[in-house]
Amino acid sequence: EAGVTQFPSHSVIEKGQTVTLRCDPISGHDNLYWYRRVMGKEIKFLLHFVKESKQDESGMPNNRFLAERTGGTYSTLKVQPAELEDSGVYFCASSFRTGLSASEQYFGPGTRLTVT
Amino acid sequence: DAKTTQPNSMESNEEEPVHLPCNHSTISGTDYIHWYRQLPSQGPEYVIHGLTSNVNNRMASLAIAEDRKSSTLILHRATLRDAAVYYCILLNNNAGNMLTFGGGTRLMVKP
Repeated sequence: EAGVTQFPSHSVIEKGQTVTLRCDPISGHDNLYWYRRVMGKEIKFLLHFVKESKQDESGMPNNRFLAERTGGTYSTLKVQPAELEDSGVYFCASSFRTGLSASEQYFGPGTRLTVT
Repeated sequence: DAKTTQPNSMESNEEEPVHLPCNHSTISGTDYIHWYRQLPSQGPEYVIHGLTSNVNNRMASLAIAEDRKSSTLILHRATLRDAAVYYCILLNNNAGNMLTFGGGTRLMVKP
C-alpha cells in the first residue's frame, strides 16, 4: 500500500511568489492534516480536513495560506505571496478514523520550502 | 492541551534496551498517550499509544504509570536505525486530533 506522498520534495521561490504544495493521503483515509516546522522551531499543526471539509484550521498562520481538498482526495496548500518566514518543512499526514482512541497519523516525507 | 516533559537527548548502545521517559503531570482522564518518532530527513512516524494499560507492539512497549502522570517508551534492543527524535504527545479526542509536538528526545545509538 502506498504511503502519504507529497510534491514537490523541495521548492525554492522568491519572496512574493506563489507556491502550491500537494499531498496525496493514503487511499481510504478521510482525515488529512497539514503541519509545518519552521527553522529551529517545533512541528506545528496547521489544519485538519475530514473528507473535503475543514474540521479545524486553527493553526493556519494567516490569510496568505489557503488549503483545499476538493473531492476529499488529495489536498493542496497554497502560499500566496510567500514571505521569508514561511521557509520550513511542510508535512502532510492522514489517518483512517477519529474517535475513541484516534488512530495513528501517517506522515509524508515533507516538502522543504525555501523562500529567498 | 496538557503538556509533556522529555529529556532533550539520550544515548544508548546498540542492541541494548532503551527507556525513554515522559512526564505529563497534568494529564486528564481522556488524554491518550501517543509516541511518534522522526528519523533524519523523514516525516514523523507513529510508534505506539495507550490510555491506562501497558501496551506492546512490534516496534516498542509503552509503560504507563499507575497515576498516569508519566510514561516510558521502551525499545527492547536499540539499533542504529532507531536513532531519531522521539515525541511523547497527549491526544484528547474531545479537543480535536491535531498532534502537539514538543521538543522531543533525541536518541543517539552508539555501535
